[in-house]
Amino acid sequence: EVQVVESGGGLVKPGGSLRLSCAASGVTFSNAWMSWVRQAPGKGLEWVGRIKSYADGVTTDYAAPVKGRFTISRDDSKSTVYLQMNSLKTEDTAVYYCITLSRVFDWRMDWGQGTLVTVSS
Amino acid sequence: EIVLTQSPGTLSLSPGERATLSCRASQSVDSTYSAWYQQKPGQAPRLLIYGASRRATGIPDRFSGSGSGTDFTLTISRLEPEDFAVYYCQQYVTSPWTFGQGTKVEI
Repeated sequence: EVQVVESGGGLVKPGGSLRLSCAASGVTFSNAWMSWVRQAPGKGLEWVGRIKSYADGVTTDYAAPVKGRFTISRDDSKSTVYLQMNSLKTEDTAVYYCITLSRVFDWRMDWGQGTLVTVSS
Repeated sequence: EIVLTQSPGTLSLSPGERATLSCRASQSVDSTYSAWYQQKPGQAPRLLIYGASRRATGIPDRFSGSGSGTDFTLTISRLEPEDFAVYYCQQYVTSPWTFGQGTKVEI
């Protein structure tokens, strides 16, 4: 069974930084693509970004609202992906979900339970 | 960017009825990279369908997905009380990955 667990959420002031972590198990992490999706209070789901596996080039891609401020990285030795968030804005307040997917599971997306990030003064 | 438009915005039905939810894409989507989710208040999205028609682990067979190209459908054959929730479609073939705005299924 694939399990995805996020951590690192909390309260941060506008302009501040925060790093989220996401550990995945039950999957060969080195083969997995990892992604982040967020949901602001009372709103729909918004894709944040994605990092491919090393075999697929370990390339990253980001949504326009976070490009240049957020960075996704991975440490396959720890089966962990990170979301570094800089220059945070109040509109970044959301629950952040981590997702794993791989061709081994026919690109099925397995989600974590989310971690809340609140950007407020 | 591929825009996903879900309809209707709200579906008012009774337990035991059939629900048909639509998701239309602004350009063709490889169905391998499409999914449907259910979300209840305070909970993470729950994967129902991926690859347009494949049920995720543990999903009851009253949920089914179909479609290809620009038109995808989620059908709930007989609504159970626990099925009243918000449903989202998603494409992840092209960046940015996008979601529909959601369909609320209410009693």
